[in-house]
This record gives sequence, C-alpha cells and structure tokens, in this order.
Amino acid sequence: KNQVEQSPQSLIILEGKNCTLQCNYTVSPFSNLRWYKQDTGRGPVSLTIMTFSENTKSNGRYTATLDADTKQSSLHITASQLSDSASYICVVSPGFQKLVFGTGTRLLVSP
Amino acid sequence: EADIYQTPRYLVIGTGKKITLECSQTMGHDKMYWYQQDPGMELHLIHYSYGVNSTEKGDLSSESTVSRIRTEHFPLTLESARPSHTSQYLCASSENYSGELFFGEGSRLTVL
Repeated sequence: KNQVEQSPQSLIILEGKNCTLQCNYTVSPFSNLRWYKQDTGRGPVSLTIMTFSENTKSNGRYTATLDADTKQSSLHITASQLSDSASYICVVSPGFQKLVFGTGTRLLVSP
Repeated sequence: EADIYQTPRYLVIGTGKKITLECSQTMGHDKMYWYQQDPGMELHLIHYSYGVNSTEKGDLSSESTVSRIRTEHFPLTLESARPSHTSQYLCASSENYSGELFFGEGSRLTVL
C-alpha cells in the first residue's frame, strides 16, 4: 500500500533556530516528491519538487533532501521566523496515479 | 502565484440547503481536484477530473457531486447540506499527473 509518513507530528521551536522535518514513503512507482507549506485556513503552497535524480533542492531558507534508496526525505528550515509557523506536508507522486499525501507536521515558531 | 480561485471563502448555512462551491483556474490545466480537510487533519481526495466531461470519485466517499463542462471551471455541489459536511474544501489543478499541484485558498463550510 502506498503510504507517506511524516515526523514529528508537531514541533515547537524558538525563533531563529533551525529545524528538520522528516518524510518516509513507501510509494511505487516513484515520480517525484513535493513539500508544501500550509498556513492555517489557507491552501497549501509548493516549496520544492524533487525527482529521483535530485538529492537536494533549496527555496530560500527551506532545503529539501531526498534519498531515493532509503525512500526518505527531509525539509530543513534555517533561521526560523514567526511566519514559518504552518503545517508542512510531504506528497509523493507515483506518476500516472493519484498523489499520496502525508499527514503533515505542524510547526510553531515561538518568539 | 497560482491562478486558481475559490468562492466563497467562508459559508455558513442551515441543514438541508443546497450549496455550490465554485473553483476556477486560468492556467489551462486539464487536471482538477477537490480535497476535503478537517482542521489539523490531512487532505482527502473526494473528486477529480482529467478533462472536460470527465469526473471521478476520489478516495474519500462524499455525498457531493461535481461537473466539468469547461476546462477552467470545476464546481462542487451539495444537494442537501448536513452538519457532517462541515469542513474545508480545497480545489487544485495540475498540468499533468506528475506536475506541480496548485491549490486555491479553500472554502470553509459550516452547516448548522
């Protein structure tokens, strides 16, 4: 069964600190992996999208990594800001099938 | 910024009313989707469309219906709303199966 698991479920960090969110998947075949940021009450917004051959991809203070061998991905947030408080969702595309969503990590950045 | 729009953003209605949530995109995408999301919970696919006159049910059973008469328009209808339909409904579109998914801002429905 295709699944995407994220950890931790929730996280509180102090403003200015770094953090790393994890995503493990058992999706086959694999086309790409995306990270989305979803502010409370808003629609998700894409942060990165990585294919099989990409190990690292950055978008400002967000850096995603992908290990296709171990089927793991991480999202690293550097020098966190209050506006980073949101849910972060890992999504895997099996290609010509429906996307598989993770349950998300809820991040709270505290002043 | 994504060119996909949902209306209304917020809707509070009484039980038994018929409602339609509108979704439009100006990107010319063939693929469109409706997701349902309860507060703090994951997204669940309830309907999708691969093009005009194509609609399919998603993974989560829903009493809502959809139509796709035009490429840019993918409305969702509830014939008789119930409190159990209270949720956030997110519309999305993509150019192809593995392409980036663009979401609207969502429609938060509350049924009293």
